[in-house]
Parts: sequence; C-alpha cells; structure tokens
Amino acid sequence: GAVVSQHPSRVICKSGTSVKIECRSLDFQATTMFWYRQFPKQSLMLMATSNEGSKATYEQGVEKDKFLINHASLTLSTLTVTSAHPEDSSFYICSARDTRQGRYYEQYFGPGTRLTVT
Amino acid sequence: QKEVEQDPGPLSVPEGAIVSLNCTYSNSAFQYFMWYRQYSRKGPELLMYTYSSGNKEDGRFTAQVDKSSKYISLFIRDSQPSDSATYLCAMSARGATNKLIFGTGTLLAVQP
Repeated sequence: GAVVSQHPSRVICKSGTSVKIECRSLDFQATTMFWYRQFPKQSLMLMATSNEGSKATYEQGVEKDKFLINHASLTLSTLTVTSAHPEDSSFYICSARDTRQGRYYEQYFGPGTRLTVT
Repeated sequence: QKEVEQDPGPLSVPEGAIVSLNCTYSNSAFQYFMWYRQYSRKGPELLMYTYSSGNKEDGRFTAQVDKSSKYISLFIRDSQPSDSATYLCAMSARGATNKLIFGTGTLLAVQP
C-alpha cells in the first residue's frame, strides 16, 4: 500500500507557458501533500505544504503566484508552474502523508516530474 | 549549522560488505526518523521508519536511533549492486504541521 503517482513523468515546455503536474495517492487518503524541488545531486527542497480544502502553505522564498497549488480532494493535489522560465527547469516531487492510525509521520513520494523549459 | 548533517559520500563498497550510513542532528525535538532510498531520476522510497530511540530491523536493513547523541544510522548487511542509490535520512518533530527535514543524502555504490 501507500502508492503515490505523479503525472506527467517528463514535460518539455516553452518559456512563458504554464505546466500542471498532478499528484495522486492511489490507495490511501492524504489530507496533507507536499511539493518538493530537487536539483541535480542535491537533496529535496520543500516548496509548499498542501492541505485538502484549504490554501497551501509556502516555504520562505517560494513564489506562491508562480507555483500554484490546489488540493481539491483527499487523493489529488496539483502544482501549476505559471509563466515558466528556464530557471524553473528541475525535478519536482510530491509526497503524501499517510494519516492512517500509527502512520501519521510517514511520507510516501511520487516518482517525480522532470520539467524542462526551453 | 544545518539541522541535519549527512556525509554526501560517495561511498563505494564491494558486494557483500556491511554498509553504515549516518546522520547527526541538532534539534532535540525530533522524534520520528526515516530513511529513504532514491535511485537516479526517481522519487525517494521509504525504507525504514523509527519512533524515538532504539533499533529496528527489516531484512538486510537495520535502523538505529540514539537520541542522547542525536545520531541515527542505517546498516545494510550483505550489500548488493541493486542497493546502489542515494540514501536520505529524514526526521520530524511531533505535531500536525511539522515537516520532514532531510539530510543531503549519501551516494552509495556497491561494486559487483
């Protein structure tokens, strides 16, 4: 159990366009999901915490108007990179917190989305 | 000082060796400790989850937490080439809003 999917796995877009990435928990409900960004050979950088039915909480330095997060249901969160630029090219990974009893602090990660902005 | 310190490696060992991966931390509020394995261009996979101090074993993997020393370890017995990956430690304090704090990851290469 505790499977998280992400779509698309890879996307190439032109500068100035917007890209939407979906994160789904497949076999459990996730009231909280997280969005991370990872640069090559570096650890994960938390961008924002997404809570179902409420506004996302962004980390310091992350532009909320550029990285729009919507957590519309207990199994789906989306990240939209608006007006993408080459410096937004990165590996974006979501995770979901399994809120079943006794597993509250475990986070399960999606396979990631490689975004390339040309 | 970073909240979580992890030797980035790379660490290269022969197949069958015992591998020891470690992290130190500074925040005494951390109570939940995790180890993730990440293959290249993939999302992290949860390997071990430990609450507070003590040991936990799962197959070839053993996680140890020493809260008095603020030190956690992951041991891999009989290492295999398929264990070659980046290993990330992560930890969290108690509380609904507390997020995971990650180490920088240790790159492990197991040579056949």
